[in-house]
Amino acid sequence: NAGVMQNPRHLVRRRGQEARLRCSPMKGHSHVYWYRQLPEEGLKFMVYLQKENIIDESGMPKERFSAEFPKEGPSILRIQQVVRGDSAAYFCASSGQGSNQPQHFGDGTRLSIL
Amino acid sequence: DQQVKQNSPSLSVQEGRISILNCDYTNSMFDYFLWYKKYPAEGPTFLISISSIKDKNEDGRFTVFLNKSAKHLSLHIVPSQPGDSAVYFCAAVNAGNNRKLIWGLGTSLAVNP
Repeated sequence: NAGVMQNPRHLVRRRGQEARLRCSPMKGHSHVYWYRQLPEEGLKFMVYLQKENIIDESGMPKERFSAEFPKEGPSILRIQQVVRGDSAAYFCASSGQGSNQPQHFGDGTRLSIL
Repeated sequence: DQQVKQNSPSLSVQEGRISILNCDYTNSMFDYFLWYKKYPAEGPTFLISISSIKDKNEDGRFTVFLNKSAKHLSLHIVPSQPGDSAVYFCAAVNAGNNRKLIWGLGTSLAVNP
């Protein structure tokens, strides 16, 4: 499967725990984006990364959230000390080089906070 | 502030007919537009895109039209098939703003056999 792979598909955490969401981009893609879809809302941009660099994190909450895309391995979205309001579907997308390249999405991680 | 608006939450069409999904935007800096289709519990699937230098792009049964002066785009699906039933999202990109997608809230399309 050459598509964007996200894991886990479902993640349950208790308040105060940490959540780690992983994303492997499509083969040959070096741009990774994270989006969040809260219940009954549309998708909202969180962060845009290239290998080892955060390009735009303007959509990330200022506290508890961080993202990385290391030289080797998947991109990681990390949420520390989760709260009920973090319950959402988190989608990762990747795209190739060049302008006007469409972003291709994984099937998301559904995070539930107890 | 919703910069990309899909004013019809739902649309119902008979199989074989044309489906027309509409999208309006407010930011004149957007220069690339995309349509995605989404099934429940799956990620959005890219359908078709259009650059702001064009007014039409066609791919099989899918055609996207862009009217820059009206800040309006539409997706036409002809002929519609039951498998097209899904939520359709319009998204826009401001190339000077790090290529992040700005999304509409979606239109749920039901194609009835």
